[in-house]
Amino acid sequence: SQTIHQWPATLVQPVGSPLSLECTVEGTSNPNLYWYRQAAGRGLQLLFYSVGIGQISSEVPQNLSASRPQDRQFILSSKKLLLSDSGFYLCAWIRDRGGGYTFGSGTRLTVV
Amino acid sequence: QKEVEQNSGPLSVPEGAIASLNCTYSDRGSQSFFWYRQYSGKSPELIMSIYSNGDKEDGRFTAQLNKASQYVSLLIRDSQPSDSATYLCAVMDSGYSTLTFGKGTMLLVSP
Repeated sequence: SQTIHQWPATLVQPVGSPLSLECTVEGTSNPNLYWYRQAAGRGLQLLFYSVGIGQISSEVPQNLSASRPQDRQFILSSKKLLLSDSGFYLCAWIRDRGGGYTFGSGTRLTVV
Repeated sequence: QKEVEQNSGPLSVPEGAIASLNCTYSDRGSQSFFWYRQYSGKSPELIMSIYSNGDKEDGRFTAQLNKASQYVSLLIRDSQPSDSATYLCAVMDSGYSTLTFGKGTMLLVSP
């Protein structure tokens, strides 16, 4: 069966520090992968998506970046965090085009 | 810009009642529609998908779709306190399989 892993579960980082969040999917190949952010009181915002290795599409201009070094690995990064980067970061994958996402357990990031 | 609108709630219903959650969307080309349930502090969980006009039933849940009116709804019959959560409506575009989410409706089911 397919599973999606995200870590860490929680993170507290100072302003200006770097960030790296990792997401991996098991039990499938060539999935579409997504990074969403859910800020307090706001809806789910699509940040990046990837349809294959090295293929990244950005939805929102910001100080975040994403990479897909392997088929089942998706990484969200920042060189310098801002207070506004705080939120609940969710990785998701989709098996069938047009089907629903399956989300990872999420990373709650607090920038202080 | 694609938009998905939901009432933020909270929607309060007594245990055993029917809860009705509504959603409208702006992209007429959308073909796939989803309902997610999100408990506080947890990630969203897919509970229903619907692709054709009409009703789709799964246990206590019924999703309804009206593409002409750009309207999706979710009915929860025999509501239970464990159904208390935020329900997110999501609409998929016809291009790269990206979902646009509404901000969610909080449902509170009182015993």
